Amino acid sequence: RKEVEQDPGPFNVPEGATVAFNCTYSNSASQSFFWYRQDCRKEPKLLMSVYSSGNEDGRFTAQLNRASQYISLLIRDSKLSDSATYLCVFPSGTDSWGKLQFGAGTQVVVTP
Amino acid sequence: NAGVTQTPKFQVLKTGQSMTLQCAQDMNHNSMYWYRQDPGMGLRLIYYSASEGTTDKGEVPNGYNVSRLNKREFSLRLESAAPSQTSVYFCASSEMTGLPTDTQYFGPGTRLTVL
Repeated sequence: RKEVEQDPGPFNVPEGATVAFNCTYSNSASQSFFWYRQDCRKEPKLLMSVYSSGNEDGRFTAQLNRASQYISLLIRDSKLSDSATYLCVFPSGTDSWGKLQFGAGTQVVVTP
Repeated sequence: NAGVTQTPKFQVLKTGQSMTLQCAQDMNHNSMYWYRQDPGMGLRLIYYSASEGTTDKGEVPNGYNVSRLNKREFSLRLESAAPSQTSVYFCASSEMTGLPTDTQYFGPGTRLTVL
């Protein structure tokens, strides 16, 4: 099993609708995770950091389900500008220097 | 602040040629990283430098070398390029406090094609 797995999509979402997608992880010791956003042919940028069971930032909600070892990202009232690939990211090292494990990403396409 | 900068943005090499990818950050971060990104795969760590003066191998180090020139700069060298090294290369930096709040900031990437 890969350390981090994501549905590649694409998730085609009408503007204004809600979309949610998951990411499964194998390291049961993970205490925190991140969602990064990557626009086409651009660098990844941090969207949200989560250190407990979840986090909400405006239209974005991230949740962690430890029992089933998955995290989710929900986007409400989708905007055209939300079209991007969303990467779920976990700390992967056992030391303190900050190694991250990246999922391959879920593509979201918001349509007018 | 420019954040993380990378040069060049694009490069085409022939098999066997060498080149160095340059990366610099102006955020006074301790840690720097080199990743490669291939279609359908997550970013894979090539090498990292936890602090100035140290470098370590990541997940896919074969065929690459790195130099942490100073706190700001971290270069990646391909000594003898192979078609399998065709990829998008990202440099990143992090303050590296050891806390879960550590965030990595990425440069714009270098698109490398090896013929």
